[in-house]
Order: sequence, then structure tokens, then C-alpha cells
Amino acid sequence: QKEVEQNSGPLSVPEGAIASLNCTYSDRGSQSFFWYRQYSGKSPELIMFIYSNGDKEDGRFTAQLNKASQYVSLLIRDSQPSDSATYLCAVNNNNNDMRFGAGTRLTVKP
Amino acid sequence: EPEVTQTPSHQVTQMGQEVILRCVPISNHLYFYWYRQILGQKVEFLVSFYNNEISEKSEIFDDQFSVERPDGSNFTLKIRSTKLEDSAMYFCASRGQGGTEAFFGQGTRLTVV
Repeated sequence: QKEVEQNSGPLSVPEGAIASLNCTYSDRGSQSFFWYRQYSGKSPELIMFIYSNGDKEDGRFTAQLNKASQYVSLLIRDSQPSDSATYLCAVNNNNNDMRFGAGTRLTVKP
Repeated sequence: EPEVTQTPSHQVTQMGQEVILRCVPISNHLYFYWYRQILGQKVEFLVSFYNNEISEKSEIFDDQFSVERPDGSNFTLKIRSTKLEDSAMYFCASRGQGGTEAFFGQGTRLTVV
């Protein structure tokens, strides 16, 4: 079983819509969860992290964590064309080493 | 703002040659990582390094790979005898004590011909 799983997409949403990105992880002991954004040819850039069950909001972004279901998601409200990128879910293991999912490619159409 | 710096940005090498990829982590960080991303594929963990030794390494990190922190600032990845399939973007990352998020450098694109 893969450590971190994401739908590879592509996910396409119209400008102004809500984009919903999902991620599941296999290590029930994981404590820290991250969403990174990666533009083509660039390095991953941290968007948000979440440690506790529930929702965490930061501007147009909301991260949601459900440890019982081993599920973490990212919602992007009022999606903009500049949000078009690959979104990487990452989870820290027992050594605090980060493992990434394959990423979901998001396209926001004007 | 502190950042992770990687050099060179692009390295072209012939198959069988040795390459050294260099990274300068954020100055007060203690945990260092190398990741690899083959074009169009996922970011793959290679190795983590703490307290001057390897903490964990993946199955990708075989005997051809080694890491070193030769001084107080640099963190290097050496590939002894490069293969065509080593062509990828290599990212260095660092994390501070008590912090959990890793900060990435801009990457070195390695092309093996």
C-alpha cells in the first residue's frame, strides 16, 4: 500500500469555483500533514499544514483532517487561473521525514 | 527571508561520471533531506540526515549515492557513477529543531547523457 495516495487528476474547475483535493495516508501514527503547491519546473512551496482533526482556514484555502479515516483534504475557494498547479499532499512519518503523494494536477479555466 | 540554496541549477554529465550536487540549508536548521523528481512523476524521498549521520534512506538510495556535510553550511549529494535513469530534478530540503515543515531549495536539474 502506498504511504500517501492522491488522485493524479487532472482536476479542472472554472474560475471562481471551489476546488477540492483529497489525500489518504497509510500510517495511522502520522501526526503532521502538509499541502504543497508545485508549478511546472519549480520546487514545492508550502501552502498549509495541519496537525489536529477538523478544519484549518487560511485565506482562500481550507485544510481538513480526519485522523480516524486517515484522510486529509484541501479546499480552494474562489479558484483563480494562477492556482493552476500540481498540489502535493505530504505526511510526516515517525522520524518526521516527509513522504509525498503523487500530486493532483489542478487547472482553473478562465 | 532565509532560504535553501542549491547549486548548480542545471548539470549535464556523461553516463558513468561522478556528480556532486550542493545545497546550503537554512542556517539554524538541523534536519536535511534530498528528494528526487523524475520529469512528470512524483517527488520521491531519497535520504534524511541529522546529527552528521543518515537517519533514513529509501531503496532508491543505493551504494551509488552518498551524502556529506563537509562543513557547517554545505550538504552534498554525490552520485558515483551516473546512469541515464538518474536524470531528474533533485531537491534539497531542511527543517528546524521543533519545526515540522520542510523548506525546499529550487532544485538541480541533472541530465545524464
